[in-house]
Amino acid sequence: GAGVSQSPSNKVTEKGKDVELRCDPISGHTALYWYRQSLGQGLEFLIYFQGNSAPDKSGLPSDRFSAERTGGSVSTLTIQRTQQEDSAVYLCASSRDTDTQYFGPGTRLTVL
Amino acid sequence: AQSVTQLGSHVSVSEGALVLLRCNYSSSVPPYLFWYVQYPNQGLQLLLKYTSAATLVKGINGFEAEFKKSETSFHLTKPSAHMSDAAEYFCAVKGFQKLVFGTGTRLLVSP
Repeated sequence: GAGVSQSPSNKVTEKGKDVELRCDPISGHTALYWYRQSLGQGLEFLIYFQGNSAPDKSGLPSDRFSAERTGGSVSTLTIQRTQQEDSAVYLCASSRDTDTQYFGPGTRLTVL
Repeated sequence: AQSVTQLGSHVSVSEGALVLLRCNYSSSVPPYLFWYVQYPNQGLQLLLKYTSAATLVKGINGFEAEFKKSETSFHLTKPSAHMSDAAEYFCAVKGFQKLVFGTGTRLLVSP
């Protein structure tokens, strides 16, 4: 079946602009995760959604970052007032059970 | 808190040689451990996972890993490297639903 999809694949923005990154999880997967991959920090957890429970936002680096998941499916990660240090690949993953996460291809964000 | 350490940011092997990528973990509870592979400009693909069943885990593309509690290790091996194995490999431990990743090992395969 279809895997996790993310859009856009690449995003170039100017410092100070807001960006939205989208994730479509695998159908039937109740859990959804966002991670960030950058040269300096490696792979970092950002946020986790499970069903209708309150999300685990413990990995969000600042209040400029937020995410929502509508209807238990699609998720949007929003970064406000982007900074150059936000440049990274943003990866989304989903899982049906609680142990195996399947990743999308990522969105490469470049902040000029 | 859970963590993993991957020894060697780069590993070079010749085609046909044994591949050994090292991962040591730290966990206060019985760990769930994973190996993922990332090809250039792609996301992470699951190679294999350990979830407390068999200690020797077989994955895709001929890879396997052995869980050794006494050594807190979960090293990834493949008997014979292929050019297509060139990629970056990440070890991860599951901690409170999220994955905690190592820093990655880039595998270089020469003909």
